[in-house]
Amino acid sequence: GQNIDQPTEMTATEGAIVQINCTYQTSGFNGLFWYQQHAGEAPTFLSYNVLDGLEEKGRFSSFLSRSKGYSYLLLKELQMKDSASYLCAVWNQAGTALIFGKGTTLSVSS
Amino acid sequence: KAGVTQTPRYLIKTRGQQVTLSCSPISGHRSVSWYQQTPGQGLQFLFEYFSETQRNKGNFPGRFSGRQFSNSRSEMNVSTLELGDSALYLCASSSPLAEPRTGELFFGEGSRLTVL
Repeated sequence: GQNIDQPTEMTATEGAIVQINCTYQTSGFNGLFWYQQHAGEAPTFLSYNVLDGLEEKGRFSSFLSRSKGYSYLLLKELQMKDSASYLCAVWNQAGTALIFGKGTTLSVSS
Repeated sequence: KAGVTQTPRYLIKTRGQQVTLSCSPISGHRSVSWYQQTPGQGLQFLFEYFSETQRNKGNFPGRFSGRQFSNSRSEMNVSTLELGDSALYLCASSSPLAEPRTGELFFGEGSRLTVL
């Protein structure tokens, strides 16, 4: 089966850098996703990692270490609009379902 | 192009009733997944359909069922509603053109069900 752990809440200030960690246990690894979900809205895709290393996309970067079952999402130059829930997810072994962690609620203050 | 559309957006039911939720995927997407989201449990996978076939099912009781039509639209049904079924039900679709394991999910706004 799959198990995903991420911190429940994090706080940060505008302009800062924050790292949201995710550890996972899965019987077969087929890639890891990060999604962003603002309150009352649908989750939206941020990043996908299937190989080890860092993927950078603007202010957001995502890192993966398959040997450690570990990923992080790095948010730079934080803005108030980055206040949201960040969801880590991995494919199930069959590749037919994304299994999500419970999400990390990030609060950005001025 | 239009995104994933879910109806109804909000609904209130009482215990013992049943409910049907509808999802229209992005045009051309043939895979539709359903998730239940609650504050305590987060996003939990219900089931996934591809070309009218259920390919995977999460760990939910048989009261939760779904189907997909030939036009890829999907419905999920919950019978004999319980208070604990109060949740946001999210539908997501993905493109058949991408390798399934890399294809991102596009989520609808969800149907918020309240059971009294």
